[in-house]
Amino acid sequence: GESVGLHLPTLSVQEGDNSIINCAYSNSASDYFIWYKQESGKGPQFIIDIRSNMDKRQGQRVTVLLNKTVKHLSLQIAATQPGDSAVYFCAEKGYGQNFVFGPGTRLSVLP
Amino acid sequence: DTGVSQDPRHKITKRGQNVTFRCDPISEHNRLYWYRQTLGQGPEFLTYFQNEAQLEKSRLLSDRFSAERPKGSFSTLEIQRTEQGDSAMYLCASSATGGRSNQPQHFGDGTRLSIL
Repeated sequence: GESVGLHLPTLSVQEGDNSIINCAYSNSASDYFIWYKQESGKGPQFIIDIRSNMDKRQGQRVTVLLNKTVKHLSLQIAATQPGDSAVYFCAEKGYGQNFVFGPGTRLSVLP
Repeated sequence: DTGVSQDPRHKITKRGQNVTFRCDPISEHNRLYWYRQTLGQGPEFLTYFQNEAQLEKSRLLSDRFSAERPKGSFSTLEIQRTEQGDSAMYLCASSATGGRSNQPQHFGDGTRLSIL
């Protein structure tokens, strides 16, 4: 069935370094992907999205890369800051409006 | 604030009681979603409305769960005869329809349900 997973459950980076968070998805028919950031006690916050007809999209300090050949998605955060500490989820749009979320990666930014 | 609003933020109740949660989406969004999230996991899709029509329901949505969106604006999620396993964060999200293109979902901060 559909599933979205992450390679690493936790990631620690030094403040100022770049972070890369990975996500594997299983449904080759998925045509839309979203990255979310979730802080403790809050709902997921939209970061960036990408459609399947693209392989890269950039936002402010963030870049999402999509490799449809190997069904892999990554989120790159430039110059990671303490405020970036959170759990990051990728979500895959499958059939209809059913979005499937991975279990998340916890990003810790070290001073 | 024009984000997604959920009420209450926290609900503690005894097993067997009924609970109802409310979600007010972003005003111009006609799509509304309910998700459930347990500790350490990603959100799990429960159901989806476009305007007042409930168009999709997950197999996770047992007969004890019912969701409504009577006027195509706010939505309610009711759980009857609550069980211990219902303890979770219930998240609501909304999105606009973008013609043929997908639109991102924007989430509220959820209602945390604790069953005693």
